[in-house]
Amino acid sequence: GAGVSQSPRYKVTKRGQDVALRCDPISGHVSLYWYRQALGQGPEFLTYFNYEAQQDKSGLPNDRFSAERPEGSISTLTIQRTEQRDSAMYRCASSRDRAAYNEQFFGPGTRLTVL
Amino acid sequence: EDQVTQSPEALRLQEGESSSLNCSYTVSGLRGLFWYRQDPGKGPEFLFTLYSAGEEKEKERLKATLTKKESFLHITAPKPEDSATYLCAVQKYGNKLVFGAGTILRVKS
Repeated sequence: GAGVSQSPRYKVTKRGQDVALRCDPISGHVSLYWYRQALGQGPEFLTYFNYEAQQDKSGLPNDRFSAERPEGSISTLTIQRTEQRDSAMYRCASSRDRAAYNEQFFGPGTRLTVL
Repeated sequence: EDQVTQSPEALRLQEGESSSLNCSYTVSGLRGLFWYRQDPGKGPEFLFTLYSAGEEKEKERLKATLTKKESFLHITAPKPEDSATYLCAVQKYGNKLVFGAGTILRVKS
């Protein structure tokens, strides 16, 4: 595809349910990032991968959050036992290679609402 | 603690009225400073990366500059289509970006 895609675009769930958010990066991009963006704020880093290896997960809020990228392409961010405070826009980005300074291309995001 | 502060929070300009947006940061070991544009309902769109103090980059009506403590995004003769939220982010180590809260720019014709 031409850009980063994310699915679903909108997800409404009840408190306590698990959710899985999917990111499909630009074809051939080595690095993939997950961010969370609250209304009126900039994106907040969660975690990132080079190929299938998770390089930094320092931004994951707690152990209910996990991410994987098993084949070095599509990634899934999973939130277990969702809470209302998890409601936010979750954004994925990818970059061409592992080098720092690389432009990160962002997807349209998944709007998660926990009732 | 690393901090990125953008000002003003919101800016209203008349078409053709030039101005500047500010991004100040307190980060030890800055590796790069990034500017992004974000339109409502969309993901951030990359504009510039600046690596060292004194560096400048230009794109159409936009020019970004960097000092040791802050970056400016200068907008010359803006048009209504320049209306967006402008985000600044710093990269300290690894590939992690730390974003500011953004400046909402509205340009009226």
